[in-house]
Formats: sequence, structure tokens, C-alpha cells
Amino acid sequence: QSALTQPASVSGSPGQSITISCTGTSSDVGGYNYVSWYQQHPGKVPKLMIYDVTDRPSGVSSRFSGSKSGNTASLTISGLQAEDEAHYYCGSYINSNTWVFGGGTKVTVL
Amino acid sequence: QVQLVQSGAEVKKPGSSVKVSCKSSGGTFSGYGINWVRQAPGQGPEWMGRIIPLFDILNYAQKFQDRVTITADESTNTAYMELRSLGSEDSAVYYCARDIKGGRYAGLAFWGQGTLVIVSS
Repeated sequence: QSALTQPASVSGSPGQSITISCTGTSSDVGGYNYVSWYQQHPGKVPKLMIYDVTDRPSGVSSRFSGSKSGNTASLTISGLQAEDEAHYYCGSYINSNTWVFGGGTKVTVL
Repeated sequence: QVQLVQSGAEVKKPGSSVKVSCKSSGGTFSGYGINWVRQAPGQGPEWMGRIIPLFDILNYAQKFQDRVTITADESTNTAYMELRSLGSEDSAVYYCARDIKGGRYAGLAFWGQGTLVIVSS
């Protein structure tokens, strides 16, 4: 199973909005509403930010939102803050009853 | 609150096996998927497989299918991941992580602290 495709890096200034894309195929992202997003700070455990494409776990800021169009899912961070600087990974169910992660995107707050 | 506590770091010789444990507390164990994810230095996470004890569901990533075994002991709320025929490329932090929804894929909401496995001669 190939990893989902994410841009290597995305940057923005404090207060701006940024969007991270996650591109797969009709066998994963496009075929199911089982996309999730994770935030990982250096040396820390990944944290679930979005699941089932659009849902936020309890405690996650409403500045984080998810969406999907065709084979591409997106994570939008609104009102960018310094603490949002981290790596972000998408994940998706695949039709072979397995799961795959994206290659990751480094978000830099300018 | 769900907590996952993993076993300690391991140093292994090439060709050997490693078995990592993951003890769950604070929530229902059997009805939720316990996934195993590894992360090599400087790399993204890599999903290895999962188990849902209540439904006898066991799924493996194709890449690991021939040399990984995931099991669960419902009496102790503990999941295990054994990886065989270790090579240097298996040096990584290994995580267990529990699904946010019971019985299906949705997202990995609760993570263990990670277990560092170093494969070196």
C-alpha cells in the first residue's frame, strides 16, 4: 500500500489560514469517509485532530477543520498560532481492510 | 480516560524477534481496535496492523504480514505485537494506539508512550 501524498511543507503567518492536502485514490481517500489527521510535535506522540473526514475529538480546537473532495482530503488550520507548528499526517482506510498514513507535512509559522 | 502503557525499550540482534506489550486501562478494551504503528527516525508513521478482540478481527499491512503477529489478552487488557526476522530497517519507535470508535476504523485517539526498538549487531 502506497502512502498518501501530502506536500512536504506549508507555511503561514500568525492569524492566517492554511490548508494541507492529502491525495489518495478511489480505493482509500475517495472511497470511504474514514480519513483522519494527526499533529505531531518533535519527540512527542501523534495527536488525533480530525476523524471521519470532518469530526473533531473532544478538546481539539475548532480552528482545525477537515473536508474531502474526490480523492483528496484537506485539513484547514484557521487563525494560525505558533503552537500549531508541527508535522501533520493524514490517514485513511483502504479497501483491503487496512490503513495507510500520508508522508507528512511540516507546518511552519512564520 | 483511556491510557495505554507500553513495555520498555529493546535492543535486538539482526534476525531475532521482539515482542512489545501494550496495557490498556480506563476504558473498554475488547470492543475497540488496538493498532500498532511504527515510526523510524525522521520518518512518518507506518501502520502495521490491528486487533479487535471482541469481534476476533485481525488485520495486517501487506508489508508486515509474513513476520508480524498481533495478539490480545482480554483477561489483562493487554495487546502484544511480535515482529520476527529483525533487520536494521526495523529500528524505530513502536506505538500502540486505540481507535476512537468501537468496531471500525475512524481515527487513532489514544496512544501509548512508544517503545524504542534498536536492531544492531
